[in-house]
Amino acid sequence: EDQVTQSPEALRLQEGESSSLNCSYTVSGLRGLFWYRQDPGKGPEFLFTLYSAGEEKEKERLKATLTKKESFLHITAPKPEDSATYLCAVQAPGTDKLIFGTGTRLQVFP
Amino acid sequence: EAEVAQSPRYKITEKSQAVAFWCDPISGHATLYWYRQILGQGPELLVQFQDESVVDDSQLPKDRFSAERLKGVDSTLKIQPAELGDSAMYLCASSPRTFGYGYTFGSGTRLTVV
Repeated sequence: EDQVTQSPEALRLQEGESSSLNCSYTVSGLRGLFWYRQDPGKGPEFLFTLYSAGEEKEKERLKATLTKKESFLHITAPKPEDSATYLCAVQAPGTDKLIFGTGTRLQVFP
Repeated sequence: EAEVAQSPRYKITEKSQAVAFWCDPISGHATLYWYRQILGQGPELLVQFQDESVVDDSQLPKDRFSAERLKGVDSTLKIQPAELGDSAMYLCASSPRTFGYGYTFGSGTRLTVV
């Protein structure tokens, strides 16, 4: 069964303290791995799509990487406005359906 | 920037009543999705439309849920009768036909069944 596990469930960082979020996945052939940001009471906001092991993508303070078993979302020198829940999702071949993890709730304090 | 519109933003309904949610996808997006997100969990697909046709409704509880996209544009998701366990955020998303394009989600409808 296709599955996505995210860790940690929650992360508290001081402003400027870099860290990484983990997304481990089990899927029968990966079509794509997606990262989303979700603010409280809002819908998920698309960040990145990764397709193959070794691929990396960056956006401002965020960098996503992909291996054959997991993906990391690295946050460099975070700011309070980076506080949100970060969701990882995978897409299997032959389907547009996204299978989401339960997310990592990030809080960045000044 | 184009957005996926959803209404209402919040809905409180009594158990056994009917409730409906509306979604207007980004213009030109052929694929429309309804996801349900229970508090503290990730979204789960309920139904996927390609134009006006249902592509995947394997996780839709068909005894009480129905969805339609009559003209291949906007869509309605209905629950009848609502149960306490249906309390959740109902998210609509759309994407163009091209693979790999991240979905664009709407702001969702927060449903509370009392």
